[in-house]
Amino acid sequence: EVQLVESGGGLVQPGGSLRLSCAASGFTFSSYEMNWVRQAPGKGLEWVSYISSSGSTIYYADSVKGRFTISRDNAKNSLYLQMNSLRAEDTAVYYCARDGIAAAGIFDYWGQGTLVTVSS
Amino acid sequence: AIRMTQSPSSLSASTGDRVTITCRASQGISSYLAWYQQKPGKAPKLLIYAASTLQSGVPSRFSGSGSGTDFTLTISCLQSEDFATYYCQQYYSYPRLTFGGGTKVEIK
Repeated sequence: EVQLVESGGGLVQPGGSLRLSCAASGFTFSSYEMNWVRQAPGKGLEWVSYISSSGSTIYYADSVKGRFTISRDNAKNSLYLQMNSLRAEDTAVYYCARDGIAAAGIFDYWGQGTLVTVSS
Repeated sequence: AIRMTQSPSSLSASTGDRVTITCRASQGISSYLAWYQQKPGKAPKLLIYAASTLQSGVPSRFSGSGSGTDFTLTISCLQSEDFATYYCQQYYSYPRLTFGGGTKVEIK
């Protein structure tokens, strides 16, 4: 059974940092592109970042570029999101999502999400 | 960036109704469109991709159509478990993806 389990969320002050993790199981993690998608409270979905299966290709949404860093450890079946210089507008539930169909941006599995709250 | 506009933003319907949700792209995206269902406190669930291909395990009462800039998601006979928020997503500009604002389907 495919499982994605996020962790690392919490309350952080503006300007602070947080590192999210996503533990994958039930599939060959190293064969799949992965993404982070976030959802502010009561709002819609926003794509945040993409990483290729090998980790060699990375993209970011303009809203987080220069502040967030996506990475992965295929030996540990894990995906990460390092978030620096956090702002109030980064407050959201963060989901990791598998790019599972033709590596085309179709997210067939999602984690349960981890809540990041940026507030003083 | 490609903007995705959904309408309506919310609707009220009864069990057994036929429901149609519209999604419009700000530029042509061929058939590079997916639909997701999200229930409160849960992660989104993939329903349809390539505009009209039903994801494995999704009931056949869900269907999608369209290409270019205009797309629809139809639920042919609304069931109680279908009350949720639905999002369209374009992947034409992959990996830079964008989602619609969502359509909340509520009980009348």
